[in-house]
Amino acid sequence: EAQVTQNPRYLITVTGKKLTVTCSQNMNHEYMSWYRQDPGLGLRQIYYSMNVEVTDKGDVPEGYKVSRKEKRNFPLILESPSPNQTSLYFCASSLSRTALKQYFGPGTRLTVT
Amino acid sequence: GQQLNQSPQSMFIQEGEDVSMNCTSSSIFNTWLWYKQDPGEGPVLLIALYKAGELTSNGRLTAQFGITRKDSFLNISASIPSDVGIYFCAGQPYPYGGATNKLIFGTGTLLAVQP
Repeated sequence: EAQVTQNPRYLITVTGKKLTVTCSQNMNHEYMSWYRQDPGLGLRQIYYSMNVEVTDKGDVPEGYKVSRKEKRNFPLILESPSPNQTSLYFCASSLSRTALKQYFGPGTRLTVT
Repeated sequence: GQQLNQSPQSMFIQEGEDVSMNCTSSSIFNTWLWYKQDPGEGPVLLIALYKAGELTSNGRLTAQFGITRKDSFLNISASIPSDVGIYFCAGQPYPYGGATNKLIFGTGTLLAVQP
């Protein structure tokens, strides 16, 4: 089954403790992206990647890092999480940088205390 | 930056009623997409619109790309309980740079359907 998976689905952590949220897709998609979803703000793009070893900042990249060492994986790294990063995070992928149809993962709900 | 205004913010309707929601912007968009997010899940693409005036259906859902290219509409006919969820519009702004599939998302419309 074609899908985007994220782990963990739920995470509660403390300020400053580094964490990684994994994202994997099995569709051989070139383009991958991370979004955060906050009430009243919709989905905002954090980082995106057009292919292996090619990443760039989205609209709200502060406090986040990403890497794209393999085509299928696009982990989101929070080196020193803060409470304002409490949010619902989605990974998405699409076939290429010109393909607008993005497929979303199930989401990761992160709480930073 | 560019924003998409989506309305209404929420709707509480009876099963069988028709639903209308819209998305507007102060700037032009090349493409409009409509997504649905079920509780506890990620958004799923419902309809994609690629040119001004386009009207596209997907079952009981119909979406239109506004003539001015600054708005889009989604209608759901004869709603059923499984229509519950959050509906998001998303648009590709014009002109665009960088990743050509940059999308701007609306704030969502929460739909509740009473059986």
